[in-house]
Amino acid sequence: AQTVTQSQPEMSVQEAETVTLSCTYDTSESDYYLFWYKQPPSRQMILVIRQEAYKQQNATENRFSVNFQKAAKSFSLKISDSQLGDAAMYFCAYRSPRETSGSRLTFGEGTQLTVNP
Amino acid sequence: DTGVSQDPRHKITKRGQNVTFRCDPISEHNRLYWYRQTLGQGPEFLTYFQNEAQLEKSRLLSDRFSAERPKGSFSTLEIQRTEQGDSAMYLCASSLGQASGNTIYFGEGSWLTVV
Repeated sequence: AQTVTQSQPEMSVQEAETVTLSCTYDTSESDYYLFWYKQPPSRQMILVIRQEAYKQQNATENRFSVNFQKAAKSFSLKISDSQLGDAAMYFCAYRSPRETSGSRLTFGEGTQLTVNP
Repeated sequence: DTGVSQDPRHKITKRGQNVTFRCDPISEHNRLYWYRQTLGQGPEFLTYFQNEAQLEKSRLLSDRFSAERPKGSFSTLEIQRTEQGDSAMYLCASSLGQASGNTIYFGEGSWLTVV
């Protein structure tokens, strides 16, 4: 079974600065998908960014980018020019391509990000 | 596209009572998922539907839990004889098609408190 680990329960960053959230995962599969989701206090989970394991190029979405290290099974999220609205719980998630798993998401424990003005 | 809707958003119930949550997925999404999330934890998979067929259930889904998706559209999650340990956020999500790359969209969740 796949597992996802986020070793930073809490992180803080000054507004306009850059912060990196860590995520590691364990899998025996060679093809899979990785995601970062954001869950603000309103509780709705919002997709931030996704990465296909077969792609070597790191995904980027505006101020959000990832550092995907397949051999190390590491998938960190970098937030540049942090804004107050970035404050939320961030979850790293793994998705298997196998139909037997229903393509479910397996989540890490989350990292609570605080943005200080 | 109105997103994934869940109802009710909050429910307080006495131990031993039955509760039912409803989820309306994004229109035309044929996959529907239920997750459970407790405070300070990531969501945990409960079950999923492909159209009206329930294809997998987690071992977290005890016999007191039942989920349905009768016409392949909305889904209900019923918890019978609630226990305090059932207190959690129940998240519904949906996606289009079977491709693993398809994005899973989440609702705002239904928060259950069992007293």
